[in-house]
Amino acid sequence: AQTVTQSQPEMSVQEAETVTLSCTYDTSENNYYLFWYKQPPSRQMILVIRQEAYKQQNATENRFSVNFQKAAKSFSLKISDSQLGDTAMYFCAFMKPYNQGGKLIFGQGTELSVKP
Amino acid sequence: DAGITQSPRYKITETGRQVTLMCHQTWSHSYMFWYRQDLGHGLRLIYYSAAADITDKGEVPDGYVVSRSKTENFPLTLESATRSQTSVYFCASTFDRAQPQHFGDGTRLSIL
Repeated sequence: AQTVTQSQPEMSVQEAETVTLSCTYDTSENNYYLFWYKQPPSRQMILVIRQEAYKQQNATENRFSVNFQKAAKSFSLKISDSQLGDTAMYFCAFMKPYNQGGKLIFGQGTELSVKP
Repeated sequence: DAGITQSPRYKITETGRQVTLMCHQTWSHSYMFWYRQDLGHGLRLIYYSAAADITDKGEVPDGYVVSRSKTENFPLTLESATRSQTSVYFCASTFDRAQPQHFGDGTRLSIL
């Protein structure tokens, strides 16, 4: 069974600095998708970034980028120039392959606080 | 407005009662999902549906019932609520299993 582990329950960073959130996963599959979702205090689940396992290039979305290490089964999220609005819970998620229903498996979450 | 809406946003009920959480999406997405969010567990899949009249169990289905008579609606029913079902419940949808899921704003359910 696939599992997703986020080993940092809480992190903090100063505004304008860079922070990296860790995520590891376990799977025997070769083709899959990985996601980072952000959950601010409003409770919304907001997609931050998506990575296809077959792509070697790391995904980027403005200030957000990932370091995808397929062999190590690692998928970390880097937030550059942190802003107060980045304060939220961040979830790493693994999506099962297409032929297994595309279901999401989430990590436990990392609560990020951005301090002024 | 287009999107995915959940109702109610908050609900308090007593053990043994039946409660239904509603989920409605306006995108005509084929796939819909129910998750529960608990501290230390992230989100866990309860049930999902690939299309109208097609549903299947997820990771934690015990104590829950779903139906999908129409593509746009995917209600979740707790037939006899227990305290362990106190949680935040999220509904999600997507048009394709390989695409990101779009989430509703969640329902906070408290069972006394």
